[in-house]
Amino acid sequence: SQQGEEDPQALSIQEGENATMNCSYKTSINNLQWYRQNSGRGLVHLILIRSNEREKHSGRLRVTLDTSKKSSSLLITASRAADTASYFCATDSASGTYKYIFGTGTRLKVLA
Amino acid sequence: GAVVSQHPSRVICKSGTSVKIECRSLDFQATTMFWYRQFPKQSLMLMATSNEGSKATYEQGVEKDKFLINHASLTLSTLTVTSAHPEDSSFYICSARVGTSGRSEQYFGPGTRLTVT
Repeated sequence: SQQGEEDPQALSIQEGENATMNCSYKTSINNLQWYRQNSGRGLVHLILIRSNEREKHSGRLRVTLDTSKKSSSLLITASRAADTASYFCATDSASGTYKYIFGTGTRLKVLA
Repeated sequence: GAVVSQHPSRVICKSGTSVKIECRSLDFQATTMFWYRQFPKQSLMLMATSNEGSKATYEQGVEKDKFLINHASLTLSTLTVTSAHPEDSSFYICSARVGTSGRSEQYFGPGTRLTVT
C-alpha cells in the first residue's frame, strides 16, 4: 500500500498543552498537506508545505518537513477542546500522477 | 479560495439500486478530479483519478464496473455506484486539481455520505 503512516494513532491531552503528530511517507513528493476532519464531516485544509520548504506556520500550527527522512510533523500549540478531531497528512508523488495519498490519521482528543 | 461542491451531501438508497454523486468545481476549471472513499474511523482511500474527456484510472482493487466515473467537463465529475450493496455504505469525497504542474493546488469537496439499506 502506498498509504503513509501517522503516529500516534490516538492522542489525548489536556487543554493548553501542545499536540505533536507525525507523518511518514514512502515516495518522493511535490507537496504535503495536513487536514483536519471532525467526526462525520468533510476535510478542512490546514497547511500545504512544498518539498523545497522545511517549516511553515499558520496561527497555532507549525508544520515541519524532512524530505531526507520522508517525514513531517504537525504541532498544535496551546490546544483547545475545539481542536478535537482527526488529523491526516496527504502527499502527492513527484512521479507525476499528482494524486494525493492519505496517511492513516491521528485522532486527537483535547480534554477541557 | 477555490470551492468544490458535492451533491447530494447525504443519500440513502436500497440495495440493488444505483446512486450518482456529482462533484463540481465552482469557480475554476479542474484538469483532474479524484474520488476517495472513507469508512468509519479510517483514512481516505483513493479510488480513481479522472481526467476530462478520458477514461478514469482506477486504483488497484477498485471495481471499475461497480464505480462508474464520468468526467464530462472541466467542472463536473460524477461517480455512480451501481447495484449498491450495504458494504458500499461509506463517505465519498472528491477533489479537484488546478493545473498540471507539481505546484498546482488541489481542493476537496465536503463529501457525500451514502447509506445502503
